[in-house]
Amino acid sequence: AQSVTQPDIHITVSEGASLELRCNYSYGATPYLFWYVQSPGQGLQLLLKYFSGDTLVQGIKGFEAEFKRSQSSFNLRKPSVHWSDAAEYFCALSGGSYIPTFGRGTSLIVHP
Amino acid sequence: SQTIHQWPATLVQPVGSPLSLECTVEGTSNPNLYWYRQAAGRGLQLLFYSVGIGQISSEVPQNLSASRPQDRQFILSSKKLLLSDSGFYLCAWSSGQSGTDQYFGPGTRLLVL
Repeated sequence: AQSVTQPDIHITVSEGASLELRCNYSYGATPYLFWYVQSPGQGLQLLLKYFSGDTLVQGIKGFEAEFKRSQSSFNLRKPSVHWSDAAEYFCALSGGSYIPTFGRGTSLIVHP
Repeated sequence: SQTIHQWPATLVQPVGSPLSLECTVEGTSNPNLYWYRQAAGRGLQLLFYSVGIGQISSEVPQNLSASRPQDRQFILSSKKLLLSDSGFYLCAWSSGQSGTDQYFGPGTRLLVL
């Protein structure tokens, strides 16, 4: 069975500070991994994805994520957070089926 | 480019009334289609998915149903709404190949009173 764990329900950072959101997965092979962002009252938007190759993946809005097979992790990072980054962030895994597995989400709060 | 539409955006319905939420995708053919529900402060719950016209798979037994009358149309229905059906309903599509990313619609906020 596959699973995704986002251990932090809420993360609070100051505007301009760096950000790292954690994502751990469980899957028997190399998964397809995704990060999505959801602004309040909106649908989810894909930030970035990892399928294979370079383990450091660049995404939209200045985000990046690093796939670490040894740690079963796919953490999302941003060097300097903007107030507009406040949102819900979801990590997801696809094991090659039609049905992805989503983490429960991490709510990012940005203080001015 | 591909776009995905959902309507209505917001809906307030009394308990026991019927429901019909519609999702349409433009700019692609033979997509996989999904219905999710998101309760307040909680993650995504997959309700139904479809890999083709008339092919519906249910992930959670409940009083909701889904239909796919056309290739790019996905409908979520209920004959009698329950209070617990309140939530944010999201439609999504992905390409025909497995393991690809999903694209989400703007969602429908449903409040059952």
